[in-house]
Formats: sequence, C-alpha cells, structure tokens
Amino acid sequence: DVKVTQSSRYLVKRTGEKVFLECVQDMDHENMFWYRQDPGLGLRLIYFSYDVKMKEKGDIPEGYSVSREKKERFSLILESASTNQTSMYLCASSLQGAKNLNTEAFFGQGTRLTVV
Amino acid sequence: LAKTTQPISMDSYEGQEVNITCSHNNIATNDYITWYQQFPSQGPRFIIQGYKTKVTNEVASLFIPADRKSSTLSLPRVSLSDTAVYYCLVGDRPGGFKTIFGAGTRLFVKA
Repeated sequence: DVKVTQSSRYLVKRTGEKVFLECVQDMDHENMFWYRQDPGLGLRLIYFSYDVKMKEKGDIPEGYSVSREKKERFSLILESASTNQTSMYLCASSLQGAKNLNTEAFFGQGTRLTVV
Repeated sequence: LAKTTQPISMDSYEGQEVNITCSHNNIATNDYITWYQQFPSQGPRFIIQGYKTKVTNEVASLFIPADRKSSTLSLPRVSLSDTAVYYCLVGDRPGGFKTIFGAGTRLFVKA
C-alpha cells in the first residue's frame, strides 16, 4: 500500500521557534509538495520539489523553506514560527510522469501545528 | 492555471445520486480535470480524473462536455460515509506541478 508519512499529527510550538515538519514517501515518487489548509481557504501550495535538491516556490512561500536531500524525504522548515502559521500542514507526493500523463497525488494524514 | 468554481456546499440523502459541477472557463488544451475527496482530519484522496467525455471507475463518474469548460462529478447512491469535501482541480500535470486546490464543495449526506 502506498504511503506518505508525516512525522507528527499534532505539534505545539512557541513563537520564534524554528520548526521542522518531516515527510517521507515510500513510492519512489519524483514530486513532493507541502500545502497548508485553513478553514474557508482550501489547500494552498507552499513549496514543491520535482527532484532531489530541487525546489520551487508555490503560492505562499513566505516564512517557509524546504529541504530535499533524499528522494523519499521532503522537509518543511518554519524559520521563526509565528501565530499566523498555525494551520494544518499536508504533504503529498506524485510520479512525475510524461507530459499529459495522468498522475494522482498521494497525501499524508497532515500535521496540525499550533504556534502559541 | 485555470481557476475553478464549485458550490460551497450541498446536501443529499442516503441512496441518492449526487452531481457536483465545477466550472473551469479558462481550461487550457493540455489540462486534465481531477477530483479529490477529503474527510475531516485526513489528507485528500484521489477519486477520478479525465480529459474529455466520460470516465467511470468503481467510485464515481466524471462527465466532461465537449467545450470542457465545466465538469460534473457523479456519485451514485451516496451513503453517510460519503460526507466529505470534494475538490475539483485543473492542470496540465495532475498531481504534478502546482496542483491548485480551490475551497471545495462540502457534501453532507443525511440518513
């Protein structure tokens, strides 16, 4: 069974802390993504990566950075956590595929981060 | 990337067929249409994907008219467990780069 695993389901951090959210996939997927989900806003893309050491900004990258040193692992880093980063964070992965080839994304269970 | 518009919420009863329509007026030639389902406290789950006409799998059907400016997800005989948020996405690499999720449609199935 395919799996995307996020290291924590719930996390509470203090303002100003550096926070690491880890995501691991076991499907040998090229693409990995970080989204945040807030009520009424749906899912918003923070960063994505299409290969090891490659990354591209999504729609809301400010205040975040990412690291992809190995194909299976994609880390989201909050350099200095703030209360407006309290949210549900979702990691996903997908096959890169050829252009126009259907590829579905597989999501982790999410990490609910609270910054106090 | 094409923007999508869906109803915010829908109600239904068990055993009924539910159709959720998504508008995507600016869909590009290479874009696919993908639908995801999300239960509370879980990540979204892929339901179905299509490019044109009709696609059917064990869970749902997807109807896409010739102009591709809209699509309809059809869930046959819904049950209480189909209560979830349903997202319509449009992009040239489904699940690939910059898959944009809108706010989704919250479906509530009543007994």
